[in-house]
Amino acid sequence: GESVGLHLPTLSVQEGDNSIINCAYSNSASDYFIWYKQESGKGPQFIIDIRSNMDKRQGQRVTVLLNKTVKHLSLQIAATQPGDSAVYFCAETSSGGYQKVTFGIGTKLQVIP
Amino acid sequence: EPEVTQTPSHQVTQMGQEVILRCVPISNHLYFYWYRQILGQKVEFLVSFYNNEISEKSEIFDDQFSVERPDGSNFTLKIRSTKLEDSAMYFCASRSGRTDTQYFGPGTRLTVL
Repeated sequence: GESVGLHLPTLSVQEGDNSIINCAYSNSASDYFIWYKQESGKGPQFIIDIRSNMDKRQGQRVTVLLNKTVKHLSLQIAATQPGDSAVYFCAETSSGGYQKVTFGIGTKLQVIP
Repeated sequence: EPEVTQTPSHQVTQMGQEVILRCVPISNHLYFYWYRQILGQKVEFLVSFYNNEISEKSEIFDDQFSVERPDGSNFTLKIRSTKLEDSAMYFCASRSGRTDTQYFGPGTRLTVL
């Protein structure tokens, strides 16, 4: 069952350094994975996605890596900026169908100026 | 850039009262979703809606909840008799159907007293 008041893992990074946020997913049937960024008081904001037929996908300053063998997903942020401070959620779904998204617990990224 | 909007941003209600949370999905999107996030916890799926009917719902989405798309632009979530444990952020999301990406609104904070 759900834990009440989850304690979010926190990653503190110096401005300009690279950040790596990790996530384990649970459903072997999931074939589409998304990273969302959530700033305080706002809704989840799409960052980058990856399909299960890929291992790596790059965006602007962000890279997502997928390891299906161990059901692991990571988000790499290059040259982290203060504006990157937020909670980052990995999410999984199955393409096709109605696609409810299942979110992970999130990681709080704190960028130290 | 088109975005999902939600009103109100904050709703305070007494236990047992009915509330309606409103969403305007991105124009031309075909799939609509409601999620909720209890403070300190992860985002949870409530319901998906397509072609004017519920396509999938979670165990959270009991008989007290209903959704409606009363016209071509609005998508609403109604809670008939609110309980204290309904206090949460409620996020609406929409998806075009051409891609798998769901876009989230800013959320409505529901506080049940």
